[in-house]
Amino acid sequence: KAGVTQTPRYLIKTRGQQVTLSCSPISGHRSVSWYQQTPGQGLQFLFEYFSETQRNKGNFPGRFSGRQFSNSRSEMNVSTLELGDSALYLCASSLIGGERNFGEGSWLTVV
Amino acid sequence: GENVEQHPSTLSVQEGDSAVIKCTYSDSASNYFPWYKQELGKRPQLIIDIRSNVGEKKDQRIAVTLNKTAKHFSLHITETQPEDSAVYFCAAPPYKLIFGTGTLLAIQP
Repeated sequence: KAGVTQTPRYLIKTRGQQVTLSCSPISGHRSVSWYQQTPGQGLQFLFEYFSETQRNKGNFPGRFSGRQFSNSRSEMNVSTLELGDSALYLCASSLIGGERNFGEGSWLTVV
Repeated sequence: GENVEQHPSTLSVQEGDSAVIKCTYSDSASNYFPWYKQELGKRPQLIIDIRSNVGEKKDQRIAVTLNKTAKHFSLHITETQPEDSAVYFCAAPPYKLIFGTGTLLAIQP
């Protein structure tokens, strides 16, 4: 079966801009979680969606938002980008309470 | 609130020796404890998990033990090999999967 697909894989943005990242889950998976990974902070939980509803949210500012569509695909958006937002953004899909299957991630560099 | 602490942050062992990584969690409602392995430049991948109704689970050279009373669980890798070199993350729910800070495991030949 096809794995989790994240696009774009790499992108460079300027401070103050916004960015939208996309995640297509494994077919049949209705739960999608987003994580930010940086060298010093490990895997930080951003939010989790199930059936188009945000079920849980991590401790990130309101500049970080997300949504999920009826086909379970999810997007996350970061507005007013800061240098510190440079990171690998990972998406994971799962059945409820099951194994998280991660995508390859989107590498965001803010300059 | 939820919290997962992972130790050590780095671990170097000789090839063939065993490695142990430990995590503690705070939420007593946690009932699922996975371990992920992330090789350099790759995505995290599940290597083993355990549910709260068992105390130990083994898969070849990898095992996970759970102590619900003390709220900690551990990853044990025996007969380590060079391909075991990676960053290992533990995680615990119950409502959102919180990851530990990771352990960089280096296998010395």
